[in-house]
Amino acid sequence: AQSVTQLGSHVSVSEGALVLLRCNYSSSVPPYLFWYVQYPNQGLQLLLKYTSAATLVKGINGFEAEFKKSETSFHLTKPSAHMSDAAEYFCAVSVFGNEKLTFGTGTRLTIIP
Amino acid sequence: DTGVSQDPRHKITKRGQNVTFRCDPISEHNRLYWYRQTLGQGPEFLTYFQNEAQLEKSRLLSDRFSAERPKGSFSTLEIQRTEQGDSAMYLCASSSQTDRNTDTQYFGPGTRLTVL
Repeated sequence: AQSVTQLGSHVSVSEGALVLLRCNYSSSVPPYLFWYVQYPNQGLQLLLKYTSAATLVKGINGFEAEFKKSETSFHLTKPSAHMSDAAEYFCAVSVFGNEKLTFGTGTRLTIIP
Repeated sequence: DTGVSQDPRHKITKRGQNVTFRCDPISEHNRLYWYRQTLGQGPEFLTYFQNEAQLEKSRLLSDRFSAERPKGSFSTLEIQRTEQGDSAMYLCASSSQTDRNTDTQYFGPGTRLTVL
């Protein structure tokens, strides 16, 4: 079975600072990896996904993530935080042939003005 | 595309009552998923359909839960004899099988259930 671990349930960064949200995965077969964002009382919006093509994946709103097989990681970064980035972020994993998503517990990102 | 829609957005019910939620997927998406999200947690998989066939059910889906997708279009999730532990956000997602390497799931806004 696949799983993801998100390190840090809460992350605070200053506006304009680097955003780094951590995700480590476990999978016995090549994984598909996703980052979703959730604003209060809303559903999930896809930020980006890794599907075995390029290891550096660019997503919406200036976010990107790098797949590192040796570290089993898929950390999410953004060079400069904006107030509108404040939300809950979820890392998720699936595999070919079993496409249900397994989510991490989420990281709440707070932006300090 | 109009996106995935869910109805109702909020539901308050008393313990023991039955509730039914509806999900309308993105048109032409042949896969439809249900997830449950409790406060402070990530979504957990409940079940999914490919067209009208229910292909997998989580052990989280007790006998009180039933899901259908008649004609492979919209889906309903029914909870019978609700319990306070059923209080959660119920999320629906849909995807297209046509490109199996990028089975991206698009989520609806969710239905928040509160059981009193």
